[in-house]
Amino acid sequence: KQEVTQIPAALSVPEGENLVLNCSFTDSAIYNLQWFRQDPGKGLTSLLLIQSSQREQTSGRLNASLDKSSGRSTLYIAASQPGDSATYLCAVTPNTGNQFYFGTGTSLTVIP
Amino acid sequence: DGGITQSPKYLFRKEGQNVTLSCEQNLNHDAMYWYRQDPGQGLRLIYYSQIVNDFQKGDIAEGYSVSREKKESFPLTVTSAQKNPTAFYLCASSIMHSGANVLTFGAGSRLTVL
Repeated sequence: KQEVTQIPAALSVPEGENLVLNCSFTDSAIYNLQWFRQDPGKGLTSLLLIQSSQREQTSGRLNASLDKSSGRSTLYIAASQPGDSATYLCAVTPNTGNQFYFGTGTSLTVIP
Repeated sequence: DGGITQSPKYLFRKEGQNVTLSCEQNLNHDAMYWYRQDPGQGLRLIYYSQIVNDFQKGDIAEGYSVSREKKESFPLTVTSAQKNPTAFYLCASSIMHSGANVLTFGAGSRLTVL
């Protein structure tokens, strides 16, 4: 069974800093990987999706990369802002089936 | 705007009562899912459905039931058999689009057992 790990569980940075969030998965036979943001008490909002044939995707200050062979994805946030404070989760879709495997998330706090 | 609507947002239940959480989507997605989220834990899959009138158990289906009579609707019933139902419940749907399986979530329902 696919296992997805996100380290660190929590991260605190000063405003303006660039930062990287990590997502590791055990089975490289994935269809795509999706990054989500979750604010307290809210649902998950999709940030970026990387297909298995892609190496990275960008949206504004966010850049997500994928290295299937090493089982890793990173979410890069440039020039962090207090509004970026949230929990970030990654989800992996395997090649077979229609399920999604989630990491436990990284809780990010950006200090003004 | 297309999206997933979950209701109610907050729900309180007495022990021994069954409650039903509503999930409606107008995205024309084929697959729908129910997840449970507890503090400090990741999302755990309760049930999922890929087509109307068909659904499969996830990792923690005991004490829960679902139906999929319409493509747009996937209600979750939390039965009295669920021993620890207090949690945040998330409904999601997915579709294959341009070579990707895209997952979309509702805003969630918080269930508290009194």
